[in-house]
Amino acid sequence: DSGVTQTPKHLITATGQRVTLRCSPRSGDLSVYWYQQSLDQGLQFLIQYYNGEERAKGNILERFSAQQFPDLHSELNLSSLELGDSALYFCASRSSSGNTIYFGEGSWLTVV
Amino acid sequence: AQKVTQAQTEISVVEKEDVTLDCVYETRDTTYYLFWYKQPPSGELVFLIRRNSFDEQNEISGRYSWNFQKSTSSFNFTITASQVVDSAVYFCALSEKVETSGSRLTFGEGTQLTVNP
Repeated sequence: DSGVTQTPKHLITATGQRVTLRCSPRSGDLSVYWYQQSLDQGLQFLIQYYNGEERAKGNILERFSAQQFPDLHSELNLSSLELGDSALYFCASRSSSGNTIYFGEGSWLTVV
Repeated sequence: AQKVTQAQTEISVVEKEDVTLDCVYETRDTTYYLFWYKQPPSGELVFLIRRNSFDEQNEISGRYSWNFQKSTSSFNFTITASQVVDSAVYFCALSEKVETSGSRLTFGEGTQLTVNP
């Protein structure tokens, strides 16, 4: 158990819909990352937050947005979903003391 | 841009064989971190090791060992006496600085290891 909690674990939704993925980082970790893993793209960095502020942006589509709340949990919002958005979405947190990055178990999103 | 290359897409071994997974990286940062993660069929990404760029000491943890060579920009991972439970995809990753104060991991493509009984 990495200590990073992601919900839901599995999600099936229709094209055009909107979903929210939730992440709770390890206790004490201020930095949260979101990654997308699809069969054809591998592990792609989406966005990083640190203590509520956006710090880095990767290949995140305009239809996607994220935020980190004062209690440090983070949400990734995916809207106008397309079939190609079907993927495993990971949240990760970086330990403040050792720079190790731990991943949650992921949220499997299937768009039908 | 930083890059991580795992040239071995798939490796198949028989149980109890030793196996080495290769990882080569490119970076312009003078200080960086390298990681290995394991992704079993269930899908989660399991942290295995983090190595700082200024620490070239090799590390051994049970049947796992890592060889970090800065001169060749390589960070190879060896499993000794492999077991069926070692079957998974293994990812090498490099931590890079992004924008003014951000960071991210750049992953290799992964190596699918299959250990046959």
